[in-house]
Amino acid sequence: GQQVMQIPQYQHVQEGEDFTTYCNSSTTLSNIQWYKQRPGGHPVFLIQLVKSGEVKKQKRLTFQFGEAKKNSSLHITATQTTDVGTYFCRHGYIFGTGTRLKVLA
Amino acid sequence: NAGVTQTPKFRILKIGQSMTLQCAQDMNHNYMYWYRQDPGMGLKLIYYSVGAGITDKGEVPNGYNVSRSTTEDFPLRLELAAPSQTSVYFCASSYPDRVLSGTEAFFGQGTRLTVV
Repeated sequence: GQQVMQIPQYQHVQEGEDFTTYCNSSTTLSNIQWYKQRPGGHPVFLIQLVKSGEVKKQKRLTFQFGEAKKNSSLHITATQTTDVGTYFCRHGYIFGTGTRLKVLA
Repeated sequence: NAGVTQTPKFRILKIGQSMTLQCAQDMNHNYMYWYRQDPGMGLKLIYYSVGAGITDKGEVPNGYNVSRSTTEDFPLRLELAAPSQTSVYFCASSYPDRVLSGTEAFFGQGTRLTVV
């Protein structure tokens, strides 16, 4: 079945450092969604990308969809402690494996 | 607007017992989903439904059953609970659209189930 892999699995950063997580698929994706799950919480939708090469920004978060629509990335500039959590990509019903972010103050 | 409501929030079951996890949404979403999330892991799709009367298996359906008699409700039934079913269960729903064209999924708060 379809698999969407995310790297890295874990990332620890100092507050103020940047963070990037990558989502990769072996097949072309019609769209990709990104979710954030705080510790002990439920996934919350962040954004959806649909077009090849699309880039969207939400404050310190930048989302990209690859030209071939087989990969995507989420970049956080100058991380804050409020960024702590697990970031998942999702296509259709299937979630990626997730990247757990810890921010050290 | 309540969104997606799951009950109960916590439950401890003994091996072999059965239970139903309730999920209700008030957003008139056609699509509903059940996921499980093991500690420190990702979300695995158990079952999904694209409308009342229609259900389909996901990645990990064994040991579970679902029904969808109304648009609002999508209960998940566990028969003969096993320790391997200890997990956090999330119900979600999304707008009526072709799933692969992508629409935002709204999640409930989750049910934390322990089987001992």
